[in-house]
Amino acid sequence: QVQLQESGPGLVKPSQTLSLTCTVSGASMSSDGYYWSWVRQHPGKALEWIGYIYYTGSTYYNPSLKSQVTISVDTSNNQFSLKLTSVSAADTAVYYCARDKRLNNFAGAFDVWGQGTMVTVSS
Amino acid sequence: IQMTQSPSSLSASLGDRVTITCRASQSVFNYLNWYQQKPGKAPKLLIYAASTLQSGVPSRFSGSGSGTEFTLTISSLQPEDFATYYCHQSYTSPRTFGQGTRVEI
Repeated sequence: QVQLQESGPGLVKPSQTLSLTCTVSGASMSSDGYYWSWVRQHPGKALEWIGYIYYTGSTYYNPSLKSQVTISVDTSNNQFSLKLTSVSAADTAVYYCARDKRLNNFAGAFDVWGQGTMVTVSS
Repeated sequence: IQMTQSPSSLSASLGDRVTITCRASQSVFNYLNWYQQKPGKAPKLLIYAASTLQSGVPSRFSGSGSGTEFTLTISSLQPEDFATYYCHQSYTSPRTFGQGTRVEI
């Protein structure tokens, strides 16, 4: 079955760049009908969508984070990545990667999730 | 689009019928999904497109609604259902989630 696994540092210093990778197994990222998203969850808080990427490299970011975020894809390794620049304590959260199963050309649902990785921003 | 869930938390007993409401600040048509999250775990998709049960999800879960008002119903609460539930609109970007409803014993 399809599995997603996040990887990356659990501790990042303020003002530095947070970098995470999601490795997809059991399916090709190049399949039509699926986008690939990052979602985060501040401790004890609700979920916040960060952005998505299609296998072609097309992206869409949450406007609230757009200035900080870059999502990229490496289809040869079946991975996609998140970079968040100039981080602060407000970026401390659990970061999830998720598959966005498309119902049509604009709407979908996150049907497969990674287990999540806690990232703490602290000096 | 802002998503508002009610209640924020509820207490229920095994076998109870539980209903959670999600309201959108503008119409999302039927592009509304529901997730279940247990402590320390990733969310799990329960229902998509307002009323379609995700494969493998027990039939005691059901969803209804369209436009701006939606409900998630658990017909007979089981021990494994104690969790936090989130609604999520995918009609437009940025995708947004409700604040969550915690279902407690």
